Amino acid sequence: RKEVEQDPGPFNVPEGATVAFNCTYSNSASQSFFWYRQDCRKEPKLLMSVYSSGNEDGRFTAQLNRASQYISLLIRDSKLSDSATYLCVVMPMDTGRRALTFGSGTRLQVQP
Amino acid sequence: NAGVTQTPKFQVLKTGQSMTLQCAQDMNHNSMYWYRQDPGMGLRLIYYSASEGTTDKGEVPNGYNVSRLNKREFSLRLESAAPSQTSVYFCATNRGPNEKLFFGSGTQLSVL
Repeated sequence: RKEVEQDPGPFNVPEGATVAFNCTYSNSASQSFFWYRQDCRKEPKLLMSVYSSGNEDGRFTAQLNRASQYISLLIRDSKLSDSATYLCVVMPMDTGRRALTFGSGTRLQVQP
Repeated sequence: NAGVTQTPKFQVLKTGQSMTLQCAQDMNHNSMYWYRQDPGMGLRLIYYSASEGTTDKGEVPNGYNVSRLNKREFSLRLESAAPSQTSVYFCATNRGPNEKLFFGSGTQLSVL
């Protein structure tokens, strides 16, 4: 089983829609969760950290569910500019490596 | 204040040639990383350096070597390039293993 798994998509949604992505992680002791955004052929950029209590940044809401071992990202009022690949990032605690692990990403396409 | 500077941006090699990818950061971060990204695979960790003077293998280290030259610089060397090493390479840094990552702009490498 992969350490971090994401639905690759693509998610095709109209402008103004609400869309949600989930990401599951394999080790219950994992710490430090992030969502990154990656535009085509560009470097990943931090979208938001994910805190245990959940957190919101404008139209974006991130949640952590430790019992079910997943994190989620909710995007409200989607904009054309939200079209990108969203990467889930986790610090696993069972690999012996002290480095963040990336999911394969979920592609979002917002359509006019 | 450049952040994370990665060179070169593009490189084409013939099988068996060698090259070094350079990464420098001016963020005074302790930890530095090399990832590769292939289509549909997400980012995979090649090597990392948790602090100056240390380096460790990541998920896919075979065929690569690294040098943490000082706190600012972390280079990745391909001694004998193979077509399987055709990929996009990203250098990244953070203050510590659990902290958010900052990325260089990437190197697109083709090995013919």
